[in-house]
Amino acid sequence: NAGVTQTPKFQVLKTGQSMTLQCAQDMNHEYMSWYRQDPGMGLRLIHYSVGAGITDQGEVPNGYNVSRSTTEDFPLRLLSAAPSQTSVYFCASRDPGPRRHEQYFGPGTRLTVT
Amino acid sequence: DQQVKQNSPSLSVQEGRISILNCDYTNSMFDYFLWYKKYPAEGPTFLISISSIKDKNEDGRFTVFLNKSAKHLSLHIVPSQPGDSAVYFCAASKGNAGNMLTFGGGTRLMVKP
Repeated sequence: NAGVTQTPKFQVLKTGQSMTLQCAQDMNHEYMSWYRQDPGMGLRLIHYSVGAGITDQGEVPNGYNVSRSTTEDFPLRLLSAAPSQTSVYFCASRDPGPRRHEQYFGPGTRLTVT
Repeated sequence: DQQVKQNSPSLSVQEGRISILNCDYTNSMFDYFLWYKKYPAEGPTFLISISSIKDKNEDGRFTVFLNKSAKHLSLHIVPSQPGDSAVYFCAASKGNAGNMLTFGGGTRLMVKP
C-alpha cells in the first residue's frame, strides 16, 4: 500500500497565484486532514473531513479551501497565495475505529511564496 | 496561546543512555496524548500514545508517562540509539475529535554514537 501520498513535493509561487496541493490515501480511511508546519510551532490543523462531501475548518483555515468528492482524495486549494503561507503542508488520514487518534501522514509539500 | 508546549527545542544524548522528552499542556479537556517522530523530508509517524485514564504506557524501548495533576507528560527512550535521532512532537486531543490534534513545537533529539 502507498498509504498517504502528496504532490508536488516542492512548489514556488508568486504572491497572488493560486494552486492546489494534492493528497490521496489508499487505506479507505474516512477521516482526512491538512496541517501546516512552521518552525517552532508544531503542526496546525487547516481543514479536515469526516467523509466524502463533509468538510470543516480547523485552527488556521483562512486563505485555504478544501473539498472531498471521494474517500481517497482531499485536495487543498490556495486561492491567492501570500508569503505567510510559506510552510510545509502535511496531509493525514485516520480510521475512526479503536485507533482513531493515530493519524497517518503523507511526506509533505514544501511551499514557498515569494 | 499554545495549549501544548515542548520547552526544549533540542536534546543531545549519548548512545545507550536514556532520553527524556517533556511536554506540558494547559487544556484540562485533553484526554488523549500522542508522540510522533519525524525524520527530515518525511511526514510524522506515530510512536506511542496514552489515554488520560492511565499514567504510563510502554512499548519496547519507549515509555510515556502522564501526570494529569501537573498537566505534564514525558517520553522515555531506553536505551537511546543513533537511529532515534529525529524531531519528536507531542500532541493532544479531546473527546472523540481525533482530527483535532493539537501539537507542541517539537524537540530535536540527537543521539551521539
